[in-house]
Amino acid sequence: ETGVTQTPRHLVMGMTNKKSLKCEQHLGHNAMYWYKQSAKKPLELMFVYSLEERVENNSVPSRFSPECPNSSHLFLHLHTLQPEDSALYLCASSQEWGRAHTQYFGPGTRLTVL
Amino acid sequence: AQSVTQLGSHVSVSEGALVLLRCNYSSSVPPYLFWYVQYPNQGLQLLLKYTSAATLVKGINGFEAEFKKSETSFHLTKPSAHMSDAAEYFCAVSGPNSGNTPLVFGKGTRLSVIA
Repeated sequence: ETGVTQTPRHLVMGMTNKKSLKCEQHLGHNAMYWYKQSAKKPLELMFVYSLEERVENNSVPSRFSPECPNSSHLFLHLHTLQPEDSALYLCASSQEWGRAHTQYFGPGTRLTVL
Repeated sequence: AQSVTQLGSHVSVSEGALVLLRCNYSSSVPPYLFWYVQYPNQGLQLLLKYTSAATLVKGINGFEAEFKKSETSFHLTKPSAHMSDAAEYFCAVSGPNSGNTPLVFGKGTRLSVIA
């Protein structure tokens, strides 16, 4: 595998379920990101990890819980979601956490909350 | 805080015609600017980025963008559209502070190419 991979690609879950999204980067990067992409809205940055430490948390509801066990893996744990949480969730990575560093994106997980 | 405005949520051009996608940013000092492309069912791919070197930036697939400080613009162009250019295009800004500031994305412009 190369670049940034995400699994699963599609997920349907009920409001009471618990599920996790997985992201893996094969680029040797030190920073990883979670974004939410909803229709008609700009990409929303959710979380940023730099060297496995969370450095940004943009007022995301606690029903979203990130985990970064090492610099190559990033998880987003989901529980008791709402229908408005249905969206494309994108993971990205960059060499370092900093404004000039290019972010490389995975293909995303399409989440539907029933 | 910086922001990005992409004029036109949908642009349609004929194959072989000029592509012009508009992006304006708000910032008191030159920021870092990016254009990303998203094909259906895929993530975002970097087309090009401006980091205060040359004002005319060349990217992949024949695209280029010109940074104009006086107009606070970073419009994306391609001389001749190809069917494979049909996708969603996002402009993003980072900065202007020296610290670590996140990317702010525009709402995107969907490009359609008509045969």
